[in-house]
Amino acid sequence: EPEVTQTPSHQVTQMGQEVILRCVPISNHLYFYWYRQILGQKVEFLVSFYNNEISEKSEIFDDQFSVERPDGSNFTLKIRSTKLEDSAMYFCASSEATAEGPQHFGDGTRLSIL
Amino acid sequence: KQEVTQIPAALSVPEGENLVLNCSFTDSAIYNLQWFRQDPGKGLTSLLLIQSSQREQTSGRLNASLDKSSGRSTLYIAASQPGDSATYLCAFVSGGYQKVTFGTGTKLQVIP
Repeated sequence: EPEVTQTPSHQVTQMGQEVILRCVPISNHLYFYWYRQILGQKVEFLVSFYNNEISEKSEIFDDQFSVERPDGSNFTLKIRSTKLEDSAMYFCASSEATAEGPQHFGDGTRLSIL
Repeated sequence: KQEVTQIPAALSVPEGENLVLNCSFTDSAIYNLQWFRQDPGKGLTSLLLIQSSQREQTSGRLNASLDKSSGRSTLYIAASQPGDSATYLCAFVSGGYQKVTFGTGTKLQVIP
């Protein structure tokens, strides 16, 4: 069964550094999402992306964050200047042609900011 | 703003028992509801999706219902097994198109 893949599984970065998290959504999906889960807390929506532009974003997704689909298969989340509070599990998800379809999640990237 | 609450936060049951997990929400203007399971250190696995116009969905031993008028959804698990042990999350697409709100989760332990 096709799946969403995320790399790396664990990323350790110094505070203030830029980090890029990578995702390969399911190939025929058109809607893409990023979520984060701080340890012990609930999953939080960050951003949704369709037709090469952001369609919805949360208040968490400030100017430090950006998303890109650089080559038609990868979907990336960039954090420009990481802070300690950015430490979390980051999940990528994708869904089929209609946004009302089920979202399929990757296994996540654990981001640790030192 | 959508608020989603799941009760109980944790549940421990003996193998074979039928159980119900609850999810309540405040904004009835939803597009759909999705139930997920999350295993430790893993991503989210989609279990069931209920569209706004539907009242329930079934998959194997799982049955999810949606009552928009009361702001509630339930996930029924029949004949629970140790492999069902995980955290179960409900999530809603509502308000802004594609904006998803997750519940706090119910951590289920099925004891052999």
